[in-house]
Amino acid sequence: KAGVTQTPRYLIKTRGQQVTLSCSPISGHRSVSWYQQTPGQGLQFLFEYFSETQRNKGNFPGRFSGRQFSNSRSEMNVSTLELGDSALYLCASSLLEGDRFHTGELFFGEGSRLTVL
Amino acid sequence: QKEVEQNSGPLSVPEGAIASLNCTYSDRGSQSFFWYRQYSGKSPELIMFIYSNGDKEDGRFTAQLNKASQYVSLLIRDSQPSDSATYLCAVNMPIRAGSRYQGAQKLVFGQGTRLTINP
Repeated sequence: KAGVTQTPRYLIKTRGQQVTLSCSPISGHRSVSWYQQTPGQGLQFLFEYFSETQRNKGNFPGRFSGRQFSNSRSEMNVSTLELGDSALYLCASSLLEGDRFHTGELFFGEGSRLTVL
Repeated sequence: QKEVEQNSGPLSVPEGAIASLNCTYSDRGSQSFFWYRQYSGKSPELIMFIYSNGDKEDGRFTAQLNKASQYVSLLIRDSQPSDSATYLCAVNMPIRAGSRYQGAQKLVFGQGTRLTINP
């Protein structure tokens, strides 16, 4: 069974540009969450999607957005990049049914490492 | 106060000893608790979860939960060099507006504790 796939793995952008990251969850997983990981802040929750709907959102500015498609694949977008957006962006999928509480059993992808110059 | 707090370490333990990792959380309404392991340059992977007060054992790993003290711990017995990693505590917390529960939960991670097992 294939794991969570994230593309691209590495990318370099300059301030003011925008970036789109992609995530394909494990087959059958309908919930996709995005996290930002930095040495100083650790793993911080960005948002979670389930059945194409954003269910939860973390405390990030509106420059960070996401969406989920009908096949559960998800994308996140960061506009007007800032130096502080340099981080590892991790996508995680989980097997959820309906409105059950989030089980916390997340399966992470390898991440997309973004460097903003 | 951070929602989930861990000592960032590094925690250094000799091979064969017991490694003890601790985590506290702020919201008394939290229901489920997880330990993830992250090797350097890799993504986190789930190693243990616990929902009820007390101990839960899985091989060399034991998770302990004390809801009254809002405290979770992970014990690693017979530590091996391959256990050297960052251990992340994650707590499933109610989403609140002020003190009012919004009917959903969020998974909040601690900063992680870097553990080194010395041969």
